Amino acid sequence: GQNIDQPTEMTATEGAIVQINCTYQTSGFNGLFWYQQHAGEAPTFLSYNVLDGLEEKGRFSSFLSRSKGYSYLLLKELQMKDSASYLCAVRDSNYQLIWGAGTKLIIKP
Amino acid sequence: ETGVTQTPRHLVMGMTNKKSLKCEQHLGHNAMYWYKQSAKKPLELMFVYSLEERVENNSVPSRFSPECPNSSHLFLHLHTLQPEDSALYLCASSQDIGAGANVLTFGAGSRLTVL
Repeated sequence: GQNIDQPTEMTATEGAIVQINCTYQTSGFNGLFWYQQHAGEAPTFLSYNVLDGLEEKGRFSSFLSRSKGYSYLLLKELQMKDSASYLCAVRDSNYQLIWGAGTKLIIKP
Repeated sequence: ETGVTQTPRHLVMGMTNKKSLKCEQHLGHNAMYWYKQSAKKPLELMFVYSLEERVENNSVPSRFSPECPNSSHLFLHLHTLQPEDSALYLCASSQDIGAGANVLTFGAGSRLTVL
């Protein structure tokens, strides 16, 4: 079966750096997405990786290794507003999105 | 108004009621989706419409009935639901389906409680 694994919950301190991991086993690969979802709000797109390597967007970076079935989302200079759930999703060979259950990130002052 | 708008935001219904969820997008996208989000579970894809034609129906019980009258509007008609159907129902849209990034733009969801 197809599966996406990510930690259920993480805690970090304001101003620090946190890395949220995502491992996947899917039938084929056509891209990996990260979305952010604040409580009670819509998920919003953060990043898209289709080739190996690091994509940087301001304080957020996303890394992909297709050979290892692995990605991470790196958040730098954490702010209280970064408290949210982070969803990892992989598009398989049929262009279906396979979703992880999300990682709830708690930022403490 | 821009983005994806869902109404109502909250809905409480009995098991014998009939209600509908509405979704509207003003992005000029060709594809629209219904997802079910339950606590601590992955998003479950329910239905996909591309250019107003249903292209995906993931073994969803018939008590959920989608309708896509045009490329900007999507409905989810609900009848004789079960308590386990209580969840957040998310609508999303994307430029197209298939190849390409096709990033999803989500609405804020309709929180459904079935008593």
